[in-house]
Amino acid sequence: EAQVTQNPRYLITVTGKKLTVTCSQNMNHEYMSWYRQDPGLGLRQIYYSMNVEVTDKGDVPEGYKVSRKEKRNFPLILESPSPNQTSLYFCASSLYGGEQFFGPGTRLTVL
Amino acid sequence: GENVEQHPSTLSVQEGDSAVIKCTYSDSASNYFPWYKQELGKGPQLIIDIRSNVGEKKDQRIAVTLNKTAKHFSLHITETQPEDSAVYFCAASRFGSGNTGKLIFGQGTTLQVKP
Repeated sequence: EAQVTQNPRYLITVTGKKLTVTCSQNMNHEYMSWYRQDPGLGLRQIYYSMNVEVTDKGDVPEGYKVSRKEKRNFPLILESPSPNQTSLYFCASSLYGGEQFFGPGTRLTVL
Repeated sequence: GENVEQHPSTLSVQEGDSAVIKCTYSDSASNYFPWYKQELGKGPQLIIDIRSNVGEKKDQRIAVTLNKTAKHFSLHITETQPEDSAVYFCAASRFGSGNTGKLIFGQGTTLQVKP
């Protein structure tokens, strides 16, 4: 089944404790992206990648890192999480930036 | 910067009525306008999209219209059913060679269809 998977689905952590949210897609898509969803703000792009070893900042990249060592994986790294990073996070993939397929989401709470 | 405004933020209709959600975009170079439906606890899923060379597109009970001059596009759902209840997002992007395909999303509309 073609899909985007994210792990974990739910995470509660404390300020400053490094964490990684994994994202994997099995559709051989070039383009992958991370979004955060906050009430009243819609989805905002954090980082995106157009291919292996090619990443770039989206609209809200501060406090986040990403890497794209393999085509299928695009992990999101929070080196020192803060409470303002409490949000619902989505990974998405697409072929050349067209229709984007979203993962199920990761709900992160930073205390 | 690029921006997409979406209205209304909430919409409640009776089953069988029509629902209309409107979006306005700022980037005149945008040429791809998808609509996503997000059900509770799930990621957004594409339901229909339109490119800038087309003024209207229909798929069963769903239609999207685009006015490039006014930079407006709208989602129309006819004969609404309870399973249409969800959050709907519009988006705009520059799609094609040399572009990143980055989506700029609207703020979302929570649609409630009452039985």
